[in-house]
Amino acid sequence: EVQLVESGGGLVQPGGSLRLSCAASGFTFSSHWMHWVRQAPGKGLVWVSCVNSDGSSTSYADSVKGRFTISRDNARNTLSLQMNSLRAEDTAVYYCARDPRYGAGYYYYYYMDVWGKGTTVTVSS
Amino acid sequence: DIQMTQSPSSLSASVGDRVTITCRASQSIGTYLNWYQQKPGKAPKLMIYAASSLQGGVPSRFSGSGSGTDFTLTISSLQPEDFATYYCQQAYSTMYTFGQGTKLEIK
Repeated sequence: EVQLVESGGGLVQPGGSLRLSCAASGFTFSSHWMHWVRQAPGKGLVWVSCVNSDGSSTSYADSVKGRFTISRDNARNTLSLQMNSLRAEDTAVYYCARDPRYGAGYYYYYYMDVWGKGTTVTVSS
Repeated sequence: DIQMTQSPSSLSASVGDRVTITCRASQSIGTYLNWYQQKPGKAPKLMIYAASSLQGGVPSRFSGSGSGTDFTLTISSLQPEDFATYYCQQAYSTMYTFGQGTKLEIK
């Protein structure tokens, strides 16, 4: 079964750090781009960050750039998000998602087709 | 950044109704547009990718159309399990962005 399972969420004080993990199983992890998406309580989905299949290229939303670092370990089928200098506005459910990112003829397909159930991060004193 | 704007923000409809949700991009994104369904407390689910391609396992009453800056998600005959929040998402830029969501409620 194709599966993504997030972990590492919890309560942290403003200015603190947290490291999220996403364990992948049931598919060839090293062939897929991976994303983190978050959702604040009662709010919409917000894309956070992505990493390419071999980990050599990353991208971040402006709101987390310089504070968050995405990485992956293809040998362990694990995606990570290191979150530093956390703020109250980082409080959210964090989802990891798979992106097949493949080409067919002249067109490339980019979408997030498998999602984890999410892990909750609360930043509060 | 590419901004995505959905309308309406909420919609009340009845079982059997045909509904359409609109998504507009702040610049042309070709057909790099995906739609997701999210139910309370659950992860999002991919419904439509590349503007009009139905994800495997998604009922055929769902359809998507559009290109450039204007896109639509249509549900031809609402079923009870379709009441949820729907998000569009652009994939033209590596920095994906979502619309604000459209909450589809039972009338």
